[in-house]
Amino acid sequence: EDKVVQSPLSLVVHEGDTVTLNCSYEVTNFRSLLWYKQEKKAPTFLFMLTSSGIEKKSGRLSSILDKKELFSILNITATQTGDSAVYLCAVKTSYDKVIFGPGTSLSVIP
Amino acid sequence: GAGVSQTPSNKVTEKGKYVELRCDPISGHTALYWYRQSLGQGPEFLIYFQGTGAADDSGLPNDRFFAVRPEGSVSTLKIQRTERGDSAVYLCASSLDGSGSPLHFGNGTRLTVT
Repeated sequence: EDKVVQSPLSLVVHEGDTVTLNCSYEVTNFRSLLWYKQEKKAPTFLFMLTSSGIEKKSGRLSSILDKKELFSILNITATQTGDSAVYLCAVKTSYDKVIFGPGTSLSVIP
Repeated sequence: GAGVSQTPSNKVTEKGKYVELRCDPISGHTALYWYRQSLGQGPEFLIYFQGTGAADDSGLPNDRFFAVRPEGSVSTLKIQRTERGDSAVYLCASSLDGSGSPLHFGNGTRLTVT
């Protein structure tokens, strides 16, 4: 059965800290891995990763994929209170089914 | 439209009633997904459409759940004989072509079955 696992499930840090969120997966016919940020309602797209070892970066956020070890990490540097959210990892299969993990709830306190 | 639109935003219904949830995807997006999200959990896959056809409906929990997309645009998720366990946020997402494109989500419909 296809599965996406995230760790930790929740995390509390102080402003300015750097955090690393983990995502591992077991799926047949992997196509891509996606990261989303969910604050109140709609998850918003952060990154899509298809190739191993190529870092995607947007401001203080970055992500990388390891297709051999079947995991990805999402890094956030110099965290701000506005980074508080649930971060969702998802995997798209070659049949275009998209499966989500349980999410990591990040709280950044001043 | 500018984004994925879901209506209603909230729906309260009594156990045993029938409900319909609507999703209007981004114009031109051929792929459409339905998810169910309970508090503290990630979105749970229900069904995926490519055009008018359901490419994968393996996530529908039982035969009380059904979804259609008759013209390849708007989709309706239908739940018969609702149960209290159906209470959740139902999220819809669309993507340009389903293969190399990310999903764009609507704000969801919060369904409460009393």
